[in-house]
Amino acid sequence: DIVMTQSPSSLAVSAGETVTINCKSSQSLLSSGNQKNYLAWYQQKPGQSPKLLIYLASTRESGVPDRFIGSGSGTDFTLTISSVQAEDLADYYCQQHYSYWTFGGGTKLELK
Amino acid sequence: QVQLKESGPVLVQASETLSLTCTVSGFSLTNYGVIWVRQPPGKGLEWMGIIWRNGNTDYNSALKSRLSINRDTSKSQVFLKMNSLQTDDTAIYYCTRVYWELFFDYWGQGVMVTVSS
Repeated sequence: DIVMTQSPSSLAVSAGETVTINCKSSQSLLSSGNQKNYLAWYQQKPGQSPKLLIYLASTRESGVPDRFIGSGSGTDFTLTISSVQAEDLADYYCQQHYSYWTFGGGTKLELK
Repeated sequence: QVQLKESGPVLVQASETLSLTCTVSGFSLTNYGVIWVRQPPGKGLEWMGIIWRNGNTDYNSALKSRLSINRDTSKSQVFLKMNSLQTDDTAIYYCTRVYWELFFDYWGQGVMVTVSS
């Protein structure tokens, strides 16, 4: 099974800051067939279901603000949130969708 | 619009069988797969099993021996059964739609299931 490791596990930020969440997979998520990286990011606010933010490593889901940016390739990926807003405080999970599915352990984004 | 809704008992006794139903609307089960995902209180997400649009199923190897998923396309319902429940099966259980057979674009609200010893 592919293991997904996220860091940090929690992050305290002030509104307006830029934050970076890292995700590392135990094997490459890059498809040799189409050169796409099979990684998604989800946001989960307290008491809510997860929400898809980004898929194929860098494609934003419809309606997701452009301050959410996914990047990376192979085994190392990043979710960057520029100019964090109060509504962005949530748990964030990466997920590989290369071989079935595995989630990272999550990153809790909190107010400083 | 696309919706998924889980239903089932909120309290189950240890060693018994959990039965949950996911009722979907806004899409056909013959066009999209549906996955069950669970989340223990305060913890992360774990995929449990999928029923593909063709009706085939796959299960997380950690749960395969205890888990069964099937569906009734005429009722737009997907069913989960998991036996031999233990207290560490206490979790929120979600059903989600699988897009492009890759990622999960719509989620149900989830149902909190407590396993009591």
